[in-house]
Amino acid sequence: ILNVEQSPQSLHVQEGDSTNFTCSFPSSNFYALHWYRWETAKSPEALFVMTLNGDEKKKGRISATLNTKEGYSYLYIKGSQPEDSATYLCAPGADGLTFGKGTHLIIQP
Amino acid sequence: SQTIHQWPATLVQPVGSPLSLECTVEGTSNPNLYWYRQAAGRGLQLLFYSVGIGQISSEVPQNLSASRPQDRQFILSSKKLLLSDSGFYLCAWSVVGAFSGNTIYFGEGSWLTVV
Repeated sequence: ILNVEQSPQSLHVQEGDSTNFTCSFPSSNFYALHWYRWETAKSPEALFVMTLNGDEKKKGRISATLNTKEGYSYLYIKGSQPEDSATYLCAPGADGLTFGKGTHLIIQP
Repeated sequence: SQTIHQWPATLVQPVGSPLSLECTVEGTSNPNLYWYRQAAGRGLQLLFYSVGIGQISSEVPQNLSASRPQDRQFILSSKKLLLSDSGFYLCAWSVVGAFSGNTIYFGEGSWLTVV
């Protein structure tokens, strides 16, 4: 079981502000890094899959970067909106996926 | 297109009773299948995964078992539920293992409350 750490655990952000949070994972035997967005009582929704060191992916106002050598990924949200409120999960790919506990993001109007 | 269904959506069961959660995938062949659980206050934990019929890998020793009787069917079971089995259970599938960089797609989830 991989050791995956996400920080912070929770985050309150004012609507319109930008924010970011971190996923740390073992850098050895790296395969891929997944980001998911998870709203309460719904299925986790895939955001990004990144495989290469230095990868940067973008989807609307959300983007992510990857550093496989030091074992971390950042997720950025630009101009936060209330609909961005969710738990953001990261997971390094292995035989299944070991998820971090997530960053619970609350956007305050 | 591919779809994944799991049921029941909500379940309230007494301690010591059996459990069966079912999951089916449509629109793909030979998927990898997964069962995850989120217990209260905890992250999403991989319980079982399967790369083919009858092939089950268990990530965490527990009171649960999984079976894959058909290519696109995955079942989570327990003979006697414990209070600690309460949680939100998610079935998921992927084309190949997530280590290859392929996305895992989740079902709608099943809320299990053991009383």
